[in-house]
Amino acid sequence: KNEVEQSPQNLTAQEGEFITINCSYSVGISALHWLQQHPGGGIVSLFMLSSGKKKHGRLIATINIQEKHSSLHITASHPRDSAVYICASTWKGGSEKLVFGKGMKLTVNP
Amino acid sequence: ETGVTQSPTHLIKTRGQQVTLRCSSQSGHNTVSWYQQALGQGPQFIFQYYREEENGRGNFPPRFSGLQFPNYSSELNVNALELDDSALYLCASSGEVGVNTEAFFGQGTRLTVV
Repeated sequence: KNEVEQSPQNLTAQEGEFITINCSYSVGISALHWLQQHPGGGIVSLFMLSSGKKKHGRLIATINIQEKHSSLHITASHPRDSAVYICASTWKGGSEKLVFGKGMKLTVNP
Repeated sequence: ETGVTQSPTHLIKTRGQQVTLRCSSQSGHNTVSWYQQALGQGPQFIFQYYREEENGRGNFPPRFSGLQFPNYSSELNVNALELDDSALYLCASSGEVGVNTEAFFGQGTRLTVV
């Protein structure tokens, strides 16, 4: 069974801090997604990766296939980064559905 | 802006009623997936449609059903609504099955069953 775990569940940071959000998964995946959800519900895809590292602006996502672990890093955090960050996997052995973690609520204070 | 729109954005229904939620996918996206997100939880997979055929289903009862149309729109129907069906319902569109592609989400429909 594919399970996705995220830690921590809540994080409060000061503006400018470097933030790391962790995600681990239990079985082989074909891709790992990092998503952002703001109050009100809409989800935005930040990254999809199956190996290595991706960077977009102040966001960096890494994945370690052997350890079944991924991290999302936010550099120079800003209050507008406050949101719920969710990781989700696409399972190699199953259908194309996304299996989601519970998400991590990030609050960045000015 | 993801190019995926859902309607309505909010809805209140009475227990036992039926509801239809709608999703308009990005043009060219042949795959649409529906998810239910309870408060404080991650989304749970309901089902997926690919080229108008069901392509996988999560652990939801048959009263949850769907349709996908050739014009990249789709529906989620829920019969005999229960209080526990209150949740945010999200649709996500993507490209071809079997190819790792990014999923694009709508803003969701918040359903409240009273």
